[in-house]
Amino acid sequence: KNQVEQSPQSLIILEGKNCTLQCNYTVSPFSNLRWYKQDTGRGPVSLTIMTFSENTKSNGRYTATLDADTKQSSLHITASQLSDSASYICVVSPFSGGYNKLIFGAGTRLAVHP
Amino acid sequence: KAGVTQTPRYLIKTRGQQVTLSCSPISGHRSVSWYQQTPGQGLQFLFEYFSETQRNKGNFPGRFSGRQFSNSRSEMNVSTLELGDSALYLCASSLAEGGPYGYTFGSGTRLTVV
Repeated sequence: KNQVEQSPQSLIILEGKNCTLQCNYTVSPFSNLRWYKQDTGRGPVSLTIMTFSENTKSNGRYTATLDADTKQSSLHITASQLSDSASYICVVSPFSGGYNKLIFGAGTRLAVHP
Repeated sequence: KAGVTQTPRYLIKTRGQQVTLSCSPISGHRSVSWYQQTPGQGLQFLFEYFSETQRNKGNFPGRFSGRQFSNSRSEMNVSTLELGDSALYLCASSLAEGGPYGYTFGSGTRLTVV
């Protein structure tokens, strides 16, 4: 069964600190892996998107890595800011002959405290 | 350019009623996907429409249906509402079916069933 698991479930860090969020998936083969940021009550906003052949992708203070051999991805946030407080969702698109369907992780809820 | 617009933002319905939610994609986007988000289940895929045709469907009962119009706007209908249907309903648009170029989400419609 295709699954996407994220850890930790929640995380509290102090402003200015770095953190790393994990995503393990069993989806295979897959088309791409995406990280989204979702503020409370809003829709998810795309941070990064990586194909199976890419190892890393950056977007400002956000850096995503992908290890297709171990089926793991991580999202590293550097110099955290209060506005980084949100849920971060890992999403995998299985490659299914052209009709892709997103598989979502449950998300990691990040709280950045001053 | 305008983003994905979902209306209404908030809705309160009673059990047994039906509801219709609307989604206007980004201009030029022809794919619209619908998702249900609840605290317990996270984001779950409902269905995807492309060129007025349902291309993919998640594991939801037949009470959940949708359609897409020639201008790519989409509606989602839920009949015989149940308390468990209370959720944030998100739609996402993409240039092409399957979202190979990424999905852009709307802010969602918060449905409360009482």
